[in-house]
Amino acid sequence: DTAVSQTPKYLVTQMGNDKSIKCEQNLGHDTMYWYKQDSKKFLKIMFSYNNKELIINETVPNRFSPKSPDKAHLNLHINSLELGDSAVYFCASSRQQLGYTFGSGTRLTVV
Amino acid sequence: GIQVEQSPPDLILQEGANSTLRCNFSDSVNNLQWFHQNPWGQLINLFYIPSGTKQNGRLSATTVATERYSLLYISSSQTTDSGVYFCAAYSGAGSYQLTFGKGTKLSVIP
Repeated sequence: DTAVSQTPKYLVTQMGNDKSIKCEQNLGHDTMYWYKQDSKKFLKIMFSYNNKELIINETVPNRFSPKSPDKAHLNLHINSLELGDSAVYFCASSRQQLGYTFGSGTRLTVV
Repeated sequence: GIQVEQSPPDLILQEGANSTLRCNFSDSVNNLQWFHQNPWGQLINLFYIPSGTKQNGRLSATTVATERYSLLYISSSQTTDSGVYFCAAYSGAGSYQLTFGKGTKLSVIP
């Protein structure tokens, strides 16, 4: 299936831990993204990345870092997790502005 | 940055009814998209519609870029249409990061 796939689907972890969420797309898209959806369903961009440029939303703490081993993958690494990091994280990809496709989300719960 | 506002925030419909969702944006856009988030959380791209009108089955969308708004029409609503509808846009070249509205939560009851 052509898709954006992210793992894990659920992640429960303790405060202070470091965790990663993986994302892969097989759509041949040139840009990948991470979005955060809070408890009020508000979706906010965290990062966008193509093989030329990483754009970081200025409100994202530097504990969050994207890592892209190749153009089909954009993983999200989070250091020193805090309670406020609990949210659903969505990976997405597009070919320029077209074909925006989201993964199924990773529900992160920090306890 | 661009601001995106959606109305109404909540909408309850009887199955079979029609509805119109509205999206206003603060600046000129060259990308306007509508998404549906189903009750299981999956985000589905409905329309890429920077201007004009598009139709897909019972759904259609119209964007009037000069007046900075877009409308999503749902006709003959079904319970499977329930969920949250998001409007999203970006205004600049180079970055394709979307700014999302807060969504319209639609509940279609049988």
